[in-house]
Amino acid sequence: GAGVSQTPSNKVTEKGKYVELRCDPISGHTALYWYRQSLGQGPEFLIYFQGTGAADDSGLPNDRFFAVRPEGSVSTLKIQRTERGDSAVYLCASSPGTGDGYTFGSGTRLTVV
Amino acid sequence: AQSVTQPDIHITVSEGASLELRCNYSYGATPYLFWYVQSPGQGLQLLLKYFSGDTLVQGIKGFEAEFKRSQSSFNLRKPSVHWSDAAEYFCAVGPTSGTYKYIFGTGTRLKVLA
Repeated sequence: GAGVSQTPSNKVTEKGKYVELRCDPISGHTALYWYRQSLGQGPEFLIYFQGTGAADDSGLPNDRFFAVRPEGSVSTLKIQRTERGDSAVYLCASSPGTGDGYTFGSGTRLTVV
Repeated sequence: AQSVTQPDIHITVSEGASLELRCNYSYGATPYLFWYVQSPGQGLQLLLKYFSGDTLVQGIKGFEAEFKRSQSSFNLRKPSVHWSDAAEYFCAVGPTSGTYKYIFGTGTRLKVLA
């Protein structure tokens, strides 16, 4: 597509529930990133995919967080047993893989109540 | 430790005035440098980037930034601010190879007075 698409734009869930956040990158972009932006903060790195594989998942805060990109295009960020502290905007970005600067999606605002 | 510091949390300027947003970084080697802008409810838009070469970089919307290696700074400037520039601005650094994992500053929120 023309830009990075993230769905849903907003998600409200109850504490302890499971959520999935979807990212559809720019067509042909091999690199895909997930970041998390808490209120009043800059984005923080979560995970980086090159193709289908997670090349760097050092930013995932704990094992409740997991992400996949099975066909090298769309990616899903999965959060199990959500906690109120998981409330944030989750941003996805993609790039051609050359370090040319990312293109970000508009994000998914996750609220855990 | 690698970090990005944006010392000004909020800045208010009058429309038509000049603007400078500060960014300092701590990094093992000269990194790639970026400025992004985020309007309310929107994702981040790339304003400009520095990879190498000329230390004065031109970006979109009339912005420019200057890389000063000796000061580990990459300040963003605009000679005349427009009301539509009101937004949050983020400085980021990243490696020149590898995963291109960026470190962002905490942002500077710009308010423009009519």
